[in-house]
Amino acid sequence: QVQLVQSETEVRKPGTSVKVSCKASGGTFSSDSITWVRQAPGQGLEWMGGIIPIFATASYAQQFQGRVTITADEFTTTAYLEVSSLRSEDTAVYYCARNIRVGAAEDYFDYWGQGTLVTVSS
Amino acid sequence: DIQMTQSPSSLSASVGDRVTFTCRASQSIGTFVNWYQQRPGKAPKVLIYAASSLQTGVPSRFSGSGSGTDFTLTISSLQPDDFAIYYCQQSYNTPYTFGQGTQVEIK
Repeated sequence: QVQLVQSETEVRKPGTSVKVSCKASGGTFSSDSITWVRQAPGQGLEWMGGIIPIFATASYAQQFQGRVTITADEFTTTAYLEVSSLRSEDTAVYYCARNIRVGAAEDYFDYWGQGTLVTVSS
Repeated sequence: DIQMTQSPSSLSASVGDRVTFTCRASQSIGTFVNWYQQRPGKAPKVLIYAASSLQTGVPSRFSGSGSGTDFTLTISSLQPDDFAIYYCQQSYNTPYTFGQGTQVEIK
C-alpha cells in the first residue's frame, strides 16, 4: 500500500519561498512518477508538474516554469516542491500524488498525500 | 493546453437517484480521461481511469463512458457518501488539466 505523507502547514510572506515535502512509502519510489497539484481556496485542481526520481528531470506546467522546482531524493524516498517569489495568489493546498502509468491509456493519480496548506500573507 | 469543461457545475439530487454528469475536452483525447471525487477537506480520490475502468475498491455504482471529446460519469444510485465534488482530468498530454468540477448536493 502506497502512502504519501506531506509536511505541515506553512505561512510565508510575499516574495519569499516555501518548500513542501512528500514522503513516500510502500511503492517503488525511484521509478514511480510523483506529481504536484494545487487547489486555491474554494477553487478547482491545478496540475503544477511532476518528476520520476530515477530520471531526476521534472516537467512543469508553463505557468509555473521558472518559479517552481520539483526534486526528489531517492535515498529518503521524499519528493519536494519549492515555490519561490510567493504571492497571495499562491495561497492554496498543495497535494502530491503518485502518477501511475499502466497501459496505453492508463495514466492517472492513484495515491495522494493529505495536502499541505500554504498561506501567503503580509 | 487541453481545456476540460464539465456540466453542470452543480446539481441537487436525492439518495437513490441516478445522476450523470459530463465532461467535454477541447480536442479529441481518445480515452485519456480520469474521474476523481473530492469530499470537503480531503484529497481527491480516483474513481474511474481511462474513461471507463473502475479503480480497485470503488463501488460498482460508479461508471464512466465516452471517447474522443465527450465523457460521462454516472452514479447509478446515489448514496450519502457520494455528496462531493467530481472532477474530470485529461492525461492525453501535459500539462494535465482538470475540469472545473461538478458539486453534488443533497436535495
